[in-house]
Amino acid sequence: AQSVTQPDIHITVSEGASLELRCNYSYGATPYLFWYVQSPGQGLQLLLKYFSGDTLVQGIKGFEAEFKRSQSSFNLRKPSVHWSDAAEYFCAVGEENYGQNFVFGPGTRLSVLP
Amino acid sequence: KAGVTQTPRYLIKTRGQQVTLSCSPISGHRSVSWYQQTPGQGLQFLFEYFSETQRNKGNFPGRFSGRQFSNSRSEMNVSTLELGDSALYLCASSLRREVNEQFFGPGTRLTVL
Repeated sequence: AQSVTQPDIHITVSEGASLELRCNYSYGATPYLFWYVQSPGQGLQLLLKYFSGDTLVQGIKGFEAEFKRSQSSFNLRKPSVHWSDAAEYFCAVGEENYGQNFVFGPGTRLSVLP
Repeated sequence: KAGVTQTPRYLIKTRGQQVTLSCSPISGHRSVSWYQQTPGQGLQFLFEYFSETQRNKGNFPGRFSGRQFSNSRSEMNVSTLELGDSALYLCASSLRREVNEQFFGPGTRLTVL
């Protein structure tokens, strides 16, 4: 069965600092990978996705993620964090033939210090 | 283009009651999925509908059911509510049946007393 781990429950960074959120998955074939962000009281917003091709993908709001098959990882990065980036971030995995049945990680809560 | 809408946004029910939640997908999207989000279990897949047919189902009891209408709007129903059903219920829509990016609505916050 698929599983997604996000080792960091809570991360605090200063505004302007760089950010890396970790995501590891367990899945045999090539996964379909996603990062979503959720602000308090709101739904999930898609930041970026990886299906195939270039392993470094660009997303919205200045985020990027790199797929590393050898490490079963799909880490999210941002070179300079803004206060508005404070939110919860979820990594998700989809599987061919399972439609929209995504497996989500537990999430990483990001706090940003002024 | 309007996003995914969910109604109601907030709901308070008592144990034993039943509840119906509604979701309108993005125009042109034919796949609608439902997720339950709780602090303890995180985001869990409930079911997916495409062209009025349930295509995938998560590991939830039969008290949780859903349907999709010909205009792609979807409803989910929870019967005989339990305290543990208190959660944020998220609906997501997608353009295709195959695994693809999903766009989420704001959710319905259900509280069971």
